[in-house]
Amino acid sequence: KQEVTQIPAALSVPEGENLVLNCSFTDSAIYNLQWFRQDPGKGLTSLLLIQSSQREQTSGRLNASLDKSSGRSTLYIAASQPGDSATYLCAVEMDSSYKLIFGSGTRLLVRP
Amino acid sequence: GAVVSQHPSWVICKSGTSVKIECRSLDFQATTMFWYRQFPKQSLMLMATSNEGSKATYEQGVEKDKFLINHASLTLSTLTVTSAHPEDSSFYICSARDSEQGSYEQYFGPGTRLTVT
Repeated sequence: KQEVTQIPAALSVPEGENLVLNCSFTDSAIYNLQWFRQDPGKGLTSLLLIQSSQREQTSGRLNASLDKSSGRSTLYIAASQPGDSATYLCAVEMDSSYKLIFGSGTRLLVRP
Repeated sequence: GAVVSQHPSWVICKSGTSVKIECRSLDFQATTMFWYRQFPKQSLMLMATSNEGSKATYEQGVEKDKFLINHASLTLSTLTVTSAHPEDSSFYICSARDSEQGSYEQYFGPGTRLTVT
């Protein structure tokens, strides 16, 4: 059974700092991996999607990497801003069924 | 971009009553939608896969008679919580995939907060 773990569970950093969020999964036979952002009491916003054949994806200040063989993904946020404060979730899709298995999330606070 | 809406955004109901939550894809067609629930400070747990024109597929441990799912059109799926109890209080989120695009992306609704008193 696939298990997705995110470390750390919570993170507080001063504005401007570069930071890394970690996601690990137990079964490396994934179809793709996605990173989402969730603001309190809100739905999810897709940030980056990495297909199993890819190593990384970039969007603005965000960069996500994927190492399938070791079961790890990282989300790198450059020059963090208070507006980046949210919960970041990673999720894996095991096959083409589009069913996602989510990690427990990392709650990020960027202090002004 | 693709938009998914949910209605209502929040609802309070009395124990024993039923509540219906709607999930709509506003600018695309979705043959498949997904329903998740999220407890406070926890992650999303998939409840069921909603298939247009056919029965939903429920995840292990989810009572299909309690959580009725109907996907009657390519843009609408509904989740009805029957005989709701306080332990059903949760944040329910749906997602949909654009059937006509080759993208793997899913688009999530804003969620519905259900409180059962």
